[in-house]
Amino acid sequence: GNSVTQMEGPVTLSEEAFLTINCTYTATGYPSLFWYVQYPGEGLQLLLKATKADDKGSNKGFEATYRKETTSFHLEKGSVQVSDSAVYFCALGNQAGTALIFGKGTTLSVSS
Amino acid sequence: KAGVTQTPRYLIKTRGQQVTLSCSPISGHRSVSWYQQTPGQGLQFLFEYFSETQRNKGNFPGRFSGRQFSNSRSEMNVSTLELGDSALYLCASSSASGGVETQYFGPGTRLLVL
Repeated sequence: GNSVTQMEGPVTLSEEAFLTINCTYTATGYPSLFWYVQYPGEGLQLLLKATKADDKGSNKGFEATYRKETTSFHLEKGSVQVSDSAVYFCALGNQAGTALIFGKGTTLSVSS
Repeated sequence: KAGVTQTPRYLIKTRGQQVTLSCSPISGHRSVSWYQQTPGQGLQFLFEYFSETQRNKGNFPGRFSGRQFSNSRSEMNVSTLELGDSALYLCASSSASGGVETQYFGPGTRLLVL
């Protein structure tokens, strides 16, 4: 069945460091891919998405490219801020963007 | 626009009881999905309702059921509660107007089974 694997955390970085959180998936068909974020004390919210191969999703300085050949959707940011500290979830969805299958989540902690 | 609301926010039940959780989607949203979040299993998809019909279903036992009303509000029910059902239950809504929609999540209902 479909599944998502993302790197285990926690990830601890200094402010302005480069961030990569790896995410790979297994799926039949043509899923849509998402990164969701959960800030401390807040609900889950969409960070970015990509709906087909080679699409790049971007938001708030974060980027991820849908790579069908490597079945990956790695999250990157060139310069992290303390306010980026949160739990990040990679997810795979159907063509409606529902019925999401999530990875285990990666906790990011950024210090100044 | 008001966000997704879930009631109650916290609930304590004992084994063997049943529980009903409620979700009110964002106005105009027709799709409601339910997820279970636990420290061990993470976020797992339970089911999705669209126009009062179950459109997708995850891999949960039949003790977990749901329904959607004509105003798109949704309820999920868990019968014969087990200790392992203790979790945060999240509801998400999307407009389902076509294409890949964004799901908007509610704050969740935290269920503790004793």
